[in-house]
Amino acid sequence: EAQVTQNPRYLITVTGKKLTVTCSQNMNHEYMSWYRQDPGLGLRQIYYSMNVEVTDKGDVPEGYKVSRKEKRNFPLILESPSPNQTSLYFCASSFGGQYSPLHFGNGTRLTVT
Amino acid sequence: GQSLEQPSEVTAVEGAIVQINCTYQTSGFYGLSWYQQHDGGAPTFLSYNALDGLEETGRFSSFLSRSDSYGYLLLQELQMKDSASYFCAVNSGGYQKVTFGTGTKLQVIP
Repeated sequence: EAQVTQNPRYLITVTGKKLTVTCSQNMNHEYMSWYRQDPGLGLRQIYYSMNVEVTDKGDVPEGYKVSRKEKRNFPLILESPSPNQTSLYFCASSFGGQYSPLHFGNGTRLTVT
Repeated sequence: GQSLEQPSEVTAVEGAIVQINCTYQTSGFYGLSWYQQHDGGAPTFLSYNALDGLEETGRFSSFLSRSDSYGYLLLQELQMKDSASYFCAVNSGGYQKVTFGTGTKLQVIP
């Protein structure tokens, strides 16, 4: 089944403790992206990647890191999480190109205390 | 930068038609997309307009006017399962830059 898989679905952590949210897609998509969703703010792009070893900042990249060492994986890294990073995170992928729809993972709800 | 405006909430009756509007300000516009998100779920793609006019996909249609920086999603024969949030999104600066609106929560009532 074609899908984008994120793990974990839920994560509670403390301020400053490094964490990684994994994202993997099995559709051979070139483009991958991370979004955070907060009430009243919609989905805001954090980082995106157009191919292996090619990443760029989205609208809200501060406090986040990403890497794209393999085409299928695009982990989101929070080196020192803070409470304002408490949010619902979505990973998405597509073939790329302007007509290519985004396929989203099921989301990761992160709470930083 | 990019900005999109859409109503925060809309209520409509089962079987009726509802239109969700989206206005945008952006540079390097490539197209307007619509996504549906049920509570607790992931966004799913509904439609994409790159050119002016109406695109129809079953009960859902989407319209774009590039000169007015405006688009809408039209849902016909509303069903209870259509209760969800609907997001417009613009592709700008190339396909990699996708900016979402804040979403419209649609409530379908009997």
